[in-house]
Amino acid sequence: ETGVTQSPTHLIKTRGQQVTLRCSSQSGHNTVSWYQQALGQGPQFIFQYYREEENGRGNFPPRFSGLQFPNYSSELNVNALELDDSALYLCASSSKQGGKIEQYFGPGTRLTVT
Amino acid sequence: DQQVKQNSPSLSVQEGRISILNCDYTNSMFDYFLWYKKYPAEGPTFLISISSIKDKNEDGRFTVFLNKSAKHLSLHIVPSQPGDSAVYFCAASLIYGSGNTGKLIFGQGTTLQVKP
Repeated sequence: ETGVTQSPTHLIKTRGQQVTLRCSSQSGHNTVSWYQQALGQGPQFIFQYYREEENGRGNFPPRFSGLQFPNYSSELNVNALELDDSALYLCASSSKQGGKIEQYFGPGTRLTVT
Repeated sequence: DQQVKQNSPSLSVQEGRISILNCDYTNSMFDYFLWYKKYPAEGPTFLISISSIKDKNEDGRFTVFLNKSAKHLSLHIVPSQPGDSAVYFCAASLIYGSGNTGKLIFGQGTTLQVKP
């Protein structure tokens, strides 16, 4: 186990609704990244938070937003849900120590938009 | 623009033999490369990483080789075990901003089947 936890495990929402996904990072990791993984694809980078500030963003619209808290846990918020938002949402916490980079993923939240 | 490519969708090997998973990339600015294993309905599991200034990193049965001139890396698993059967993703890291780790750009994945 990586120590990265996500909640909820599964979620079903209706088009147009809003959703909040949560992530607790591994102890000692101050960087949290969010990814979207569609079926049969590799994970796609949404954005990253470092010390409570957004530290880069992928090709996702502004209705995807996030937060990082002082304990380094994080939230992903998606407004005005669309059918194409149905995917596995992965949170990853990371560190770089001794010249080695490690990024650990949580189990993911499966979001279904109907 | 697919910056990280895994051109083999699947690979099948016999238990005890070597599994070689390949990955190509286009961006010479990538500074780290990572390999992940993924089972259905689970998050990716980190296996091994390599800095762009190295050409080899070994951890137990897993070895990653990096050929910067060819923009190619490979993951070797020796000996392969049935429990290694999973989808393997290659990812490249691009550091930017003030964070200590960059965003990961993933390949499409290769499904490895290890037959008993």
